[in-house]
Amino acid sequence: GNSVTQMEGPVTLSEEAFLTINCTYTATGYPSLFWYVQYPGEGLQLLLKATKADDKGSNKGFEATYRKETTSFHLEKGSVQVSDSAVYFCALTGGGNKLTFGTGTQLKVEL
Amino acid sequence: DAGVIQSPRHEVTEMGQEVTLRCKPISGHDYLFWYRQTMMRGLELLIYFNNNVPIDDSGMPEDRFSAKMPNASFSTLKIQPSEPRDSAVYFCASSNTLRDTQYFGPGTRLTVL
Repeated sequence: GNSVTQMEGPVTLSEEAFLTINCTYTATGYPSLFWYVQYPGEGLQLLLKATKADDKGSNKGFEATYRKETTSFHLEKGSVQVSDSAVYFCALTGGGNKLTFGTGTQLKVEL
Repeated sequence: DAGVIQSPRHEVTEMGQEVTLRCKPISGHDYLFWYRQTMMRGLELLIYFNNNVPIDDSGMPEDRFSAKMPNASFSTLKIQPSEPRDSAVYFCASSNTLRDTQYFGPGTRLTVL
């Protein structure tokens, strides 16, 4: 079946630092890949997505590239802000299966 | 669009009581999902519907949990009787297709005393 593995948190960074949150996946066929973000006290919301190999999803300064050869979809941002503090979930759909989420990575950005 | 609407936002009840959570999906979405989120277990899919029909309820923890979708604009998740270990945040989400982006509601925070 499909599965998603993402790095455990919490990840604590200083403002303006570079962010990478690793995500790797196992899936049959050609899944679509997503990053969702959950701000404190809110539901999850889509941050970015990519539907085929080598696609790059981007939004709000965040980027992730669909790498089929390494089965990865790492999330990056060049300069984080305090307002980016949240929990980030990597997820995929494919093979007629429902969305499969990773366990989430908490990001804390400090001044 | 108003997005996915959930009610109530907070619910506090005593063990043994019946609890009903409500969800209104985004109009036109064919899929509706119920999730539960706790610190210990993370985000768990409980059940999902396609065109008001339950497709996969393998995540429903026990017979105490039941979900219905009587029409395209309304779904309920019921717990009867409730137990303290049911305390969690329950999310509803909807999407156009199984592969599309899911849109989440703000959640219902349930506390069972």
